[in-house]
Amino acid sequence: DSGVTQTPKHLITATGQRVTLRCSPRSGDLSVYWYQQSLDQGLQFLIQYYNGEERAKGNILERFSAQQFPDLHSELNLSSLELGDSALYFCASSAQGRGADTQYFGPGTRLTVL
Amino acid sequence: AQKVTQAQTEISVVEKEDVTLDCVYETRDTTYYLFWYKQPPSGELVFLIRRNSFDEQNEISGRYSWNFQKSTSSFNFTITASQVVDSAVYFCALTLSGSARQLTFGSGTQLTVLP
Repeated sequence: DSGVTQTPKHLITATGQRVTLRCSPRSGDLSVYWYQQSLDQGLQFLIQYYNGEERAKGNILERFSAQQFPDLHSELNLSSLELGDSALYFCASSAQGRGADTQYFGPGTRLTVL
Repeated sequence: AQKVTQAQTEISVVEKEDVTLDCVYETRDTTYYLFWYKQPPSGELVFLIRRNSFDEQNEISGRYSWNFQKSTSSFNFTITASQVVDSAVYFCALTLSGSARQLTFGSGTQLTVLP
């Protein structure tokens, strides 16, 4: 158990809908990362937050947004969902958000868009 | 931009055999960090090891060992006396020390250990 929690574990929804994925980092970690794992794209970085502020952005679609709250939990919002958004979404956390820090991953949320 | 290549898509071995998973990376930075993660069939990503670019000492942890060679930009992972429970997808990843702190992952190697 990494100490990172993600809810829900599974999510099934229809095209055009909006969903919210939630992540709680390990105790004491200030930085949260979101990654998407799909069969065709592999593991791709989406976005990083550090202590409530956006720090880095990867290949995140405009339909996707995220935020980190004062209690350090984070939410990833996916809207106008398409079939291609079906994937495993991981949250990871690290102590200070530096390259030297190990990122510990949550169990993931499997999103299925029908 | 940095890149991680895991050329072995799938490897199959019989239990108790040794197996080496290859990882080759590309970066222009002199300070960087390399990682291995394991993704068992249950789907979670489990951290195995972190190595920084200034530390080329090889590491052994039980049946696992890692060989880091800057001269060939490789960070290979060997499992000795493999077990069925080692069956998983293994990912090699790279991150930098500057502003781009996100992990760049290789495409992963599916290891199947047969009884």
